[in-house]
Amino acid sequence: DIQLTQSPSSLSASVGDRVSFTCRASQGISNYLAWYQQKPGKAPKLLIFSASTLQSGVPSRFSGSGSGTEFTLTISSLQPEDFATYYCQQLNSYPFTFGPGTKVDIK
Amino acid sequence: QVQLVQSGAELKGPGASVQVSCKASRSTFRNYFFHWVRQAPGQGLEWLGRINPNSGDSTFPQKFQGRVSMTSDTSIYTVYIDLKRLKSDDTAVYYCARSEQWLAPFDSWGQGTQVTVSS
Repeated sequence: DIQLTQSPSSLSASVGDRVSFTCRASQGISNYLAWYQQKPGKAPKLLIFSASTLQSGVPSRFSGSGSGTEFTLTISSLQPEDFATYYCQQLNSYPFTFGPGTKVDIK
Repeated sequence: QVQLVQSGAELKGPGASVQVSCKASRSTFRNYFFHWVRQAPGQGLEWLGRINPNSGDSTFPQKFQGRVSMTSDTSIYTVYIDLKRLKSDDTAVYYCARSEQWLAPFDSWGQGTQVTVSS
């Protein structure tokens, strides 16, 4: 199975900050990576797929990059509604796996 | 607004079985694949498997082979997951989600169903 690690596991930031976090795969997955946002008590929401393609309706302050084994999600200017946990998911092969998440909270 | 509507919370004893349902629109049911994902309390996301609701073809991770099954009812646009021989660490919120293709991201999710396993 392909393992995903995310770093950091949590970060504190302020509204307006630019934040980035990383997802690493245990083997190459080309660009078969998605990012999800999850708020407490809610289902995950798809933000980005194919490593860098923004899902319809997702604000342009979110962007993704990377290929192979290392990927990055960036929020260019953090908004109050962005405080949440972010998960990466590999879609290269079964079984699909998720990273352990990065929690973004208010500084 | 895409809606996947799941069944309500379940409380089961160890060793029992549970079934969770996920109802979709006709269009979604006929054109998408469905996945099940669970989240234990305070934990991350775990993929349980996928089903083509029209053919019934399904795939599960090795760790769930023999304990998980997925079915569909094409007459009411509903997919189901059944989990047997429940253990306390099966306590989690269970989500259904859809994808356009087998190897595609999950672009819409159900609201989640709490399954609690306790004696």
